[in-house]
This record gives sequence, structure tokens and C-alpha cells, in this order.
Amino acid sequence: DTEVTQTPKHLVMGMTNKKSLKCEQHMGHRAMYWYKQKAKKPPELMFVYSYEKLSINESVPSRFSPECPNSSLLNLHLHALQPEDSALYLCASSQEGGLDEQFFGPGTRLTVL
Amino acid sequence: GQQVMQIPQYQHVQEGEDFTTYCNSSTTLSNIQWYKQRPGGHPVFLIQLVKSGEVKKQKRLTFQFGEAKKNSSLHITATQTTDVGTYFCALNAGNNRKLIWGLGTSLAVNP
Repeated sequence: DTEVTQTPKHLVMGMTNKKSLKCEQHMGHRAMYWYKQKAKKPPELMFVYSYEKLSINESVPSRFSPECPNSSLLNLHLHALQPEDSALYLCASSQEGGLDEQFFGPGTRLTVL
Repeated sequence: GQQVMQIPQYQHVQEGEDFTTYCNSSTTLSNIQWYKQRPGGHPVFLIQLVKSGEVKKQKRLTFQFGEAKKNSSLHITATQTTDVGTYFCALNAGNNRKLIWGLGTSLAVNP
């Protein structure tokens, strides 16, 4: 299985809502990533988990809260988002991190009203 | 900090023409990766280059890593409509834990 799955595919939420994005991989990868991507821009790194521990937080606002329940799962909890947070949220995984190729999931298209 | 420049930003070609995108770094790199993202899709890994002067081929795609390990190129021979998408280079930063992404080159192919 060389796939990263993400749910939901699309999400529309109000600024007062709480929602979660989910990501799963079964490739035995030990590094997992959250990226945010705006239209016609490259992916923008948000968080990196290495061996289930948060290793990089790119100064992301606290309204985004990552969680890594186990080595296969990665969640992104959303609360009190702003319309400018609307974007494609991509999850990725890699063998160890660093120099490895990254496998991306299909993403969650988030719209904040 | 490390900076990466990718050119051109956009390229329109007729099917059958060649296409090249370039990626330049301000510092010497440990490696460089190339990804393709189709419209409405997600980035897909194409290749990783590690050695100075390295050249790798995948069918019609040729990837090069500069001798000084500060630049790289992706060349597509005889483009097809299936080549449409945005091509990103991504550089490995010194701390070995995150990639620095180029802005991408968006390729459109007219049939």
C-alpha cells in the first residue's frame, strides 16, 4: 500500500466551528507532514511529526492543532478559523524525514465562511 | 536563509515541443527533488538528485543537477497533453527535516 489517504475531501465550516482533518498511511513511514497550499502557490509547511513527536512547527497559529495518535495517523484540529485559512490542506509522509521523497495525500479542500 | 528561484513561472507550448524548467539556489545543496502537480491534484514525487553533475532520465523527462550543486533543470522532450501541470523543485534545507519549495513552473500544452 503506497497511498496516503485524507478525509474529508471537502470541508466547509464557519468561523466558530470546530472540525478535524484526518490523514492515514500504512507504508511504515516515520515522518508525517501537514502542508497548506493556496492556489497557484507551492505547498507551505505547517507541521512535521517524526516518530510520533512534533519536530517542526512553522509558527502556525494556535487555531490549528496537530495530533499524531500513532505512527499511521495524523490529525489536524481546526478551531475559530478565518476566511483566509481557506486552502488545500495536504498531508504527506516519508520514510524517515529529511532527505526522503514525500508521498502526498489528495488533500482536503477547506472553505471557511 | 536559503532561497530558491524557479523559472519560468509559466510556459505554453505546442504539443511536440520541448520544455525546460530551471531551479537555482543561493547555497550549495545536499539534494534536490522534483514534484509534479496536475490541475486539481496533489504533488507527486518525480525524482531526487544527490550527486554533483548527476543526470537522470525517465522516458521523455531528463533531470540534471549542476556541477556546483546549486542548480537543477527538468527537460521534457516532445511534450504531450499529459505533461500539463505544475512542476516544483524542492531543496533539502540544512537541518534535514524540511524541504524548501520553488514557486513552480506551470506548463500548458496546446494539442
